Amino acid sequence: AQSVSQHNHHVILSEAASLELGCNYSYGGTVNLFWYVQYPGQHLQLLLKYFSGDPLVKGIKGFEAEFIKSKFSFNLRKPSVQWSDTAEYFCAVNAGPNTGFQKLVFGTGTRLLVSP
Amino acid sequence: NAGVTQTPKFQVLKTGQSMTLQCAQDMNHNSMYWYRQDPGMGLRLIYYSASEGTTDKGEVPNGYNVSRLNKREFSLRLESAAPSQTSVYFCASIPGGQPISYEQYFGPGTRLTVT
Repeated sequence: AQSVSQHNHHVILSEAASLELGCNYSYGGTVNLFWYVQYPGQHLQLLLKYFSGDPLVKGIKGFEAEFIKSKFSFNLRKPSVQWSDTAEYFCAVNAGPNTGFQKLVFGTGTRLLVSP
Repeated sequence: NAGVTQTPKFQVLKTGQSMTLQCAQDMNHNSMYWYRQDPGMGLRLIYYSASEGTTDKGEVPNGYNVSRLNKREFSLRLESAAPSQTSVYFCASIPGGQPISYEQYFGPGTRLTVT
């Protein structure tokens, strides 16, 4: 079965620090990859997604992620975090997109706390 | 556009009680999902409905049933609640079909406690 690993469960940063959250998946075929964010008290929303083409994907709020197929990774980055980035971040993979249906497998999430 | 709505927001049940969580979307989406979110485990898929009239099991379907009442509504039923079902439940929807690159739109969640 497909799985997604997020190695950092809790990350604490100061404002203006750089962020990188790791995401690795286990699936040998074509994958579609997503990062979702859940701000405190809110529902999940999409940060960015990779389907094909340029492996460096830019999303909302200055986030980006790089798909490295050889490493089965899709790490999330932001050069300079803000207090408002405090949230929980989830990596997800849609394995087997050739089925024509989206069924996501989520990682366990990373809680990011940004101190002012 | 309300997006995806869920009722109730909070619920406390006693072991053995039953209840139905309601989900509705007004975006004319074809596919709908039910997830549960537990600390340290991320989101896990309970059931999904690729289109009106079809439902399928996800990763953790035991103890749950679903009904895709119409295109808008997708309900999740707990027939005999157990403490292990204490969780936050999220409903999501997606246009469905091709391409499959759409984002899933999530509801605000239902926090369920089973004592």
